[in-house]
Amino acid sequence: KQEVTQIPAALSVPEGENLVLNCSFTDSAIYNLQWFRQDPGKGLTSLLLIQSSQREQTSGRLNASLDKSSGRSTLYIAASQPGDSATYLCAVRGGNYGQNFVFGPGTRLSVLP
Amino acid sequence: GAGVSQSPSNKVTEKGKDVELRCDPISGHTALYWYRQSLGQGLEFLIYFQGNSAPDKSGLPSDRFSAERTGGSVSTLTIQRTQQEDSAVYLCASRLPGTSELEQYFGPGTRLTVT
Repeated sequence: KQEVTQIPAALSVPEGENLVLNCSFTDSAIYNLQWFRQDPGKGLTSLLLIQSSQREQTSGRLNASLDKSSGRSTLYIAASQPGDSATYLCAVRGGNYGQNFVFGPGTRLSVLP
Repeated sequence: GAGVSQSPSNKVTEKGKDVELRCDPISGHTALYWYRQSLGQGLEFLIYFQGNSAPDKSGLPSDRFSAERTGGSVSTLTIQRTQQEDSAVYLCASRLPGTSELEQYFGPGTRLTVT
């Protein structure tokens, strides 16, 4: 059974810092991995998706990497801003081409002005 | 156009009652997902619909949970004989056919409280 963990559970940084969020999964037979952002009281926003054959994806100040063999992904946020404050979730989709996503518990990020 | 909408936004029900949660996807989005987010379990996938294909029900936690999608648009998630552990926020998402999961648009959720 796939299990996804995220470290740290919470992170507080001053504005302008670069930071890394970590995601680990136990079964490397994944189809893809996705990073989401969730703001309090709101739904999720998809940020980045990495296919199992890819190593990284970039969108603006965000860069996500994937090391499938070691079961790890990182989300790098450059020059953090207070507007980046949210909970960041990673999710893996199994390699059986189903739509069953397994989510991590999330990292709650606070960027202080 | 309008985004994904869900109703009700909040639902309080007594243990043992049945509840129905509704999701109105974005027009033209043939793919539709249901998830739930609870304090104890985090975010969990429940069910996926794509057009006229058989739904992927692999995430439904028990046979008390069912979902249908009428006319390829509106979806209803039904929970029978609710239990306290069913208390959670139920999220719906939709996307256009042929797009990746990156293009999921999420609704605001329905907060279900079972007393």
